[in-house]
Amino acid sequence: EAQVTQNPRYLITVTGKKLTVTCSQNMNHEYMSWYRQDPGLGLRQIYYSMNVEVTDKGDVPEGYKVSRKEKRNFPLILESPSPNQTSLYFCASSNQGGHGYTFGSGTRLTVV
Amino acid sequence: AQSVTQLGSHVSVSEGALVLLRCNYSSSVPPYLFWYVQYPNQGLQLLLKYTTGATLVKGINGFEAEFKKSETSFHLTKPSAHMSDAAEYFCAVSENSGYSTLTFGKGTMLLVSP
Repeated sequence: EAQVTQNPRYLITVTGKKLTVTCSQNMNHEYMSWYRQDPGLGLRQIYYSMNVEVTDKGDVPEGYKVSRKEKRNFPLILESPSPNQTSLYFCASSNQGGHGYTFGSGTRLTVV
Repeated sequence: AQSVTQLGSHVSVSEGALVLLRCNYSSSVPPYLFWYVQYPNQGLQLLLKYTTGATLVKGINGFEAEFKKSETSFHLTKPSAHMSDAAEYFCAVSENSGYSTLTFGKGTMLLVSP
């Protein structure tokens, strides 16, 4: 089944403790992206990647890092999480061709 | 730069009534437009998309949307609401079909009453 898999689904952590949210897709998509969703703000892009070793900042990149060493994986790294990063995070992937974007199921992160 | 405006953070309808969710966009290039639905505690599911060609687009679950370039709109409609349509709906725009940033509106929560 074609899908984007994120882990974990839920995570509670403490301020300053480094964490990684994994994202993997099995569709051979070139483009991958991370979004955060906050009430009343919709989804905002954090980082995106157009191919292996090619990443760029989205609208809200502060406090986040990403890497794209393999085509299928695009982890999101929070080196020193803070409470304002408490949010619902989505990974998405796509290819050219008019098929749109496929989203993961989301990761609900709480930083206390 | 792209942007999306969804009029109304909440829309309430009765079961069986017409559903109309409004979306206006701005884009410096011909847009690709999408509607996504998010059910409680779930991810985003693509309802329908406009890329090129026919301006009236039909999607899943009986939804459709019409691209009106002169009005820069892409409103979502369904003739008869069902209780299962209660969810949050997001309109989004990108510069091409899937190889650039997808910019979202802030979402509209659809409430359906019996």
